[in-house]
Amino acid sequence: KAGVTQTPRYLIKTRGQQVTLSCSPISGHRSVSWYQQTPGQGLQFLFEYFSETQRNKGNFPGRFSGRQFSNSRSEMNVSTLELGDSALYLCASSPAGQGLGEKLFFGSGTQLSVL
Amino acid sequence: GDSVTQMEGPVTLSEEAFLTINCTYTATGYPSLFWYVQYPGEGLQLLLKATKADDKGSNKGFEATYRKETTSFHLEKGSVQVSDSAVYFCALSVGSARQLTFGSGTQLTVLP
Repeated sequence: KAGVTQTPRYLIKTRGQQVTLSCSPISGHRSVSWYQQTPGQGLQFLFEYFSETQRNKGNFPGRFSGRQFSNSRSEMNVSTLELGDSALYLCASSPAGQGLGEKLFFGSGTQLSVL
Repeated sequence: GDSVTQMEGPVTLSEEAFLTINCTYTATGYPSLFWYVQYPGEGLQLLLKATKADDKGSNKGFEATYRKETTSFHLEKGSVQVSDSAVYFCALSVGSARQLTFGSGTQLTVLP
């Protein structure tokens, strides 16, 4: 069974641009979550989607948005990039109706560098 | 709010040494507790979990006990291997909130 797939693996953008990251969950998983990982702030929750609906959102500005498609694939978008948005963005998927944590599977992440 | 405090790293040990990584938490409700591990260039993997007080999670020789009285979930391993070199994250989730709150991570390096 394929794991969580994130594309692209690396991305370089300049300030002011916008970026879209993609996540394909494990087959059969309907929940997708996004986390930002930085050396200074550590791992922080961005948002979670289930059946194309955002169920939970972390404390990030409106420049960060996401969506989920009917096949459970998810994208996150960051508009008007700032230097501080440089981070590893991790996607995680889980089956519907399961407890959190023990059924959360992470992808390898997209490393975004903003110049 | 909820928070997790982890022992500062990095930690460097010789192979077969005993490992302890401290983790304490603050939670508004009754949390489930987790340890995740991140190997270089990879995403996070669940190492072990505990969902109620006095539960002991264990996996691959690692153990952690949910201590409600001290709000702690320390990670231990009796004899580390070079292959255990990674970053370890303590995390919690509370109630129906479908999100994890992570500690800052502890980098472990095991030398042969």
